[in-house]
Amino acid sequence: GNSVTQMEGPVTLSEEAFLTINCTYTATGYPSLFWYVQYPGEGLQLLLKATKADDKGSNKGFEATYRKETTSFHLEKGSVQVSDSAVYFCALSVNSGGYQKVTFGTGTKLQVIP
Amino acid sequence: NAGVTQTPKFQVLKTGQSMTLQCAQDMNHEYMSWYRQDPGMGLRLIHYSVGAGITDQGEVPNGYNVSRSTTEDFPLRLLSAAPSQTSVYFCATLVTGLAGRRAETQYFGPGTRLLVL
Repeated sequence: GNSVTQMEGPVTLSEEAFLTINCTYTATGYPSLFWYVQYPGEGLQLLLKATKADDKGSNKGFEATYRKETTSFHLEKGSVQVSDSAVYFCALSVNSGGYQKVTFGTGTKLQVIP
Repeated sequence: NAGVTQTPKFQVLKTGQSMTLQCAQDMNHEYMSWYRQDPGMGLRLIHYSVGAGITDQGEVPNGYNVSRSTTEDFPLRLLSAAPSQTSVYFCATLVTGLAGRRAETQYFGPGTRLLVL
């Protein structure tokens, strides 16, 4: 089956620190990879995505590169802000029998302190 | 566009009661899904639909029913609520590309927080 493994949180960083949240996956077929962000009391929203090997997704200073050889899609940001405090979910999607099957990781909570 | 809307935002039920969680979207997306979010478990798929009249089970379908009579609406019914169904429920649409062969993004509603006593 398909699965997504994320580093456990919470991750606590000082403002302007470098962020890495690890994500690895297993999948049958060739998945698309996503990072979603959830702010307190809200639903998830797409942060970035990549659809093929070596693609780099980027948005709002966050980046992640689709690494097929290591089955990874680690999220990085060079300088975090307090406003980045949220829960981050790694996810994959594969075409299964003509339908899209989406699998989420368990989420990593990020706390950025001033 | 309102996007994906969910009602109610919060509900308390007693064990054995039934209720329907409402989900509506105005983006004309074919795919819709229901997830539950529990601490330490991420999001788990309950049911999904690839168009009006077509639904299928996800990872954790027991105790839930769905129907899809229109593109816009995708209600989730709890037939006889149990404390194990205490959770936050999210409805989402899915946008696909390449003639449905690839997922592009999901749009989530704000969630319904359900407490079953």
